[in-house]
Amino acid sequence: NAGVTQTPKFRILKIGQSMTLQCAQDMNHNYMYWYRQDPGMGLKLIYYSVGAGITDKGEVPNGYNVSRSTTEDFPLRLELAAPSQTSVYFCASSHGGIGTNEKLFFGSGTQLSVL
Amino acid sequence: AQKITQTQPGMFVQEKEAVTLDCTYDTSDQSYGLFWYKQPSSGEMIFLIYQGSYDEQNATEGRYSLNFQKARKSANLVISASQLGDSAMYFCAMRGSRSNDYKLSFGAGTTVTVRA
Repeated sequence: NAGVTQTPKFRILKIGQSMTLQCAQDMNHNYMYWYRQDPGMGLKLIYYSVGAGITDKGEVPNGYNVSRSTTEDFPLRLELAAPSQTSVYFCASSHGGIGTNEKLFFGSGTQLSVL
Repeated sequence: AQKITQTQPGMFVQEKEAVTLDCTYDTSDQSYGLFWYKQPSSGEMIFLIYQGSYDEQNATEGRYSLNFQKARKSANLVISASQLGDSAMYFCAMRGSRSNDYKLSFGAGTTVTVRA
């Protein structure tokens, strides 16, 4: 059972480059989330989705875009990478629609450096 | 809006002793959930314990217990009989209700170092 799969695990970008972080889950979860974690800090919500075709901004959406064309996939797009986007990115999912007690299932993270 | 505050950036604890990690929160939701996650140096996020806002009993999971004081809006994690493997960063998080799309908001974390 794969759970939440993120690729790549590591990436170095040059300033101004673009890339897509991939996230896929095989648990038929409706809710998916992208978080970033700066060194020594907590997780901040970038974007989230409550179902295919529906996305919304979190706390720190600037510089990122997402799409949710299927239940399984929730890619995060970085356009014109900046050093401030150097961070560890986590994708997470949950079934949703049941209650507040559902824990999130996290991917293993993508460590991104922008130089 | 939801806000989680963890005021202890780092703590040291002796092996086999108990440690309490503080967490306070603020929310406009009547129904919400409180979580604690552990993040070891390897980086993965490990779920530890959950407390619902309407739960009357404090949650316990093995050596982890949650001291929930709703009126004070605090949800402190107690780790009993600390082990070397407990050295990690610990995050308090709150999940809002459907009106907030069940978003999970995190505190800044507390680093725990267990000494032999």
